[in-house]
Amino acid sequence: NAGVTQTPKFQVLKTGQSMTLQCAQDMNHEYMSWYRQDPGMGLRLIHYSVGAGITDQGEVPNGYNVSRSTTEDFPLRLLSAAPSQTSVYFCASSYSRGQGYEQYFGPGTRLTVT
Amino acid sequence: SQKIEQNSEALNIQEGKTATLTCNYTNYSPAYLQWYRQDPGRGPVFLLLIRENEKEKRKERLKVTFDTTLKQSLFHITASQPADSATYLCALPGDGANNLFFGTGTRLTVIP
Repeated sequence: NAGVTQTPKFQVLKTGQSMTLQCAQDMNHEYMSWYRQDPGMGLRLIHYSVGAGITDQGEVPNGYNVSRSTTEDFPLRLLSAAPSQTSVYFCASSYSRGQGYEQYFGPGTRLTVT
Repeated sequence: SQKIEQNSEALNIQEGKTATLTCNYTNYSPAYLQWYRQDPGRGPVFLLLIRENEKEKRKERLKVTFDTTLKQSLFHITASQPADSATYLCALPGDGANNLFFGTGTRLTVIP
């Protein structure tokens, strides 16, 4: 198993540009999520999904869209990038949508918005 | 709102000693608590989960305690090694599904 994969690893955007961060998992996990990690802030939940066709907002959803058309993929879209979205983004998955299951994280995407 | 505090942004310890990291929380009664390890440039890796009815849990050189009265979890690494150097994150259940709230982490450095 490759686990959770994310592409790209690094990205630089100009303000106003759009892009999609890709996330895929090959463990047939029901639950997937996106976090951003900023210095001194810890990991904060952006959006999550409990199965194909089902998504919901986390703590900091503004400026981001998600969709879950398959169990494997959970892309994160930035429609109009802003400097405040400069961060490291992590995708995570877990076996069950229920609470108390360990989460598997991807290697992260480091995004800089100028 | 819920608040998670990991005391000590950074902790330096001599090889062979026991490292103790603290996670405190307020405005919360979590059913469980998780600990993750994060190395520079990598995603967090799950280490241990402890439930509210468990006072202590062990895995090899790792030990976690959970005191729901003090609203605190302690994470111990015994016989620490330089390879244990990393940032350690505690996480509590978030709102809905398997969401998590994370602390800001403690960066542990084990000095040879």
